[in-house]
Amino acid sequence: GDSVTQMEGPVTLSEEAFLTINCTYTATGYPSLFWYVQYPGEGLQLLLKATKADDKGSNKGFEATYRKETTSFHLEKGSVQVSDSAVYFCALSPDKIIFGKGTRLHILP
Amino acid sequence: EPEVTQTPSHQVTQMGQEVILRCVPISNHLYFYWYRQILGQKVEFLVSFYNNEISEKSEIFDDQFSVERPDGSNFTLKIRSTKLEDSAMYFCASSRTGTGRANVLTFGAGSRLTVL
Repeated sequence: GDSVTQMEGPVTLSEEAFLTINCTYTATGYPSLFWYVQYPGEGLQLLLKATKADDKGSNKGFEATYRKETTSFHLEKGSVQVSDSAVYFCALSPDKIIFGKGTRLHILP
Repeated sequence: EPEVTQTPSHQVTQMGQEVILRCVPISNHLYFYWYRQILGQKVEFLVSFYNNEISEKSEIFDDQFSVERPDGSNFTLKIRSTKLEDSAMYFCASSRTGTGRANVLTFGAGSRLTVL
């Protein structure tokens, strides 16, 4: 069945460092791909999405490109801030959302 | 911005007790979902609901679970006789379209269930 694999956490970076969180997927058909973020004590918020191959989703300085040839949707940010500390979930959707395990990100000041 | 609201935020119950988790989806959304996240594990799909009936459910959603939309605003998840392994964060979500590339789910903040 469809599934998402993302890198294990926690990931700890210093403020202003470059961030990459890897995500690969397995799917039949052509799903939409998402990154959701969960800040401490809050629910799951949509961070960005891409609906077809080569689309780039972006929001709040984060970017991810839908790569069909490598079945990947890696999350990147050029300069992270302390406020980016959260758990990040890669997900795909033919209809319902299927989530990866989540990657906890700690940003140190 | 419209929100999905969930109550209670945290519930502690004894094994074998019934629990009802409540959700108020976004008012113009038509598709409703429950997911759960056991501590440290992935967010898992439980059930989707449309037009007053279940449209899809996972293997986790066994006879102990039921969902209901008792009025025009609430969407509830009932666990009939809780087990220790039901301890998890339960997320409600809603969406307008339900399927296709435009389908985006809006999630609530979650209800943490602790079964003792």
